[in-house]
Amino acid sequence: AQSVTQLDSHVSVSEGTPVLLRCNYSSSYSPSLFWYVQHPNKGLQLLLKYTSAATLVKGINGFEAEFKKSETSFHLTKPSAHMSDAAEYFCVVTPKGGGNKLTFGTGTQLKVEL
Amino acid sequence: EPEVTQTPSHQVTQMGQEVILRCVPISNHLYFYWYRQILGQKVEFLVSFYNNEISEKSEIFDDQFSVERPDGSNFTLKIRSTKLEDSAMYFCASSGTEYTEAFFGQGTRLTVV
Repeated sequence: AQSVTQLDSHVSVSEGTPVLLRCNYSSSYSPSLFWYVQHPNKGLQLLLKYTSAATLVKGINGFEAEFKKSETSFHLTKPSAHMSDAAEYFCVVTPKGGGNKLTFGTGTQLKVEL
Repeated sequence: EPEVTQTPSHQVTQMGQEVILRCVPISNHLYFYWYRQILGQKVEFLVSFYNNEISEKSEIFDDQFSVERPDGSNFTLKIRSTKLEDSAMYFCASSGTEYTEAFFGQGTRLTVV
């Protein structure tokens, strides 16, 4: 069985400051991990994914995440927030080779203020 | 850019009625999925579909649910007799292979009254 815990339901940052969205996972198997983003009235969009290659994964729009097995974490970061980053972010896990039967976290709502 | 489209965006139905949620996956994709999100809860996997049959389903996907690919472009989720607890956002997704990125639609918000 696998699960993810997103530690913050809401995060608020100022434009131009760093973003940190936290995610811890639990998996009986070696996992694949993803971050998805959902803007209002839009579908879920894949930001980045970790399968088994480099532990630091770069995604779209300047986001990146680091897989830390010792901490069972996969936190999402961005050096400088932009207003357009305001959205809901989902950490997602699936067993490696588990296809697209995805297990979602509860989501983190990111607010970006001027 | 190709995208998954879902219709309608909102649907209100009376308890006990049948509803059909429609999805048009990306045209060259072969794997199709339905997920749902009850308000305030996690996005949950319902079912995956490949080669005209269900490949996997969750415990949520009981006999009142069915999926179909009636033609070469649409993928539908039918709920036979809706209950209040079926109120949720339903997401359709598709992928080219079982292991490549799943592309999601914008969702259909179903409200059962």
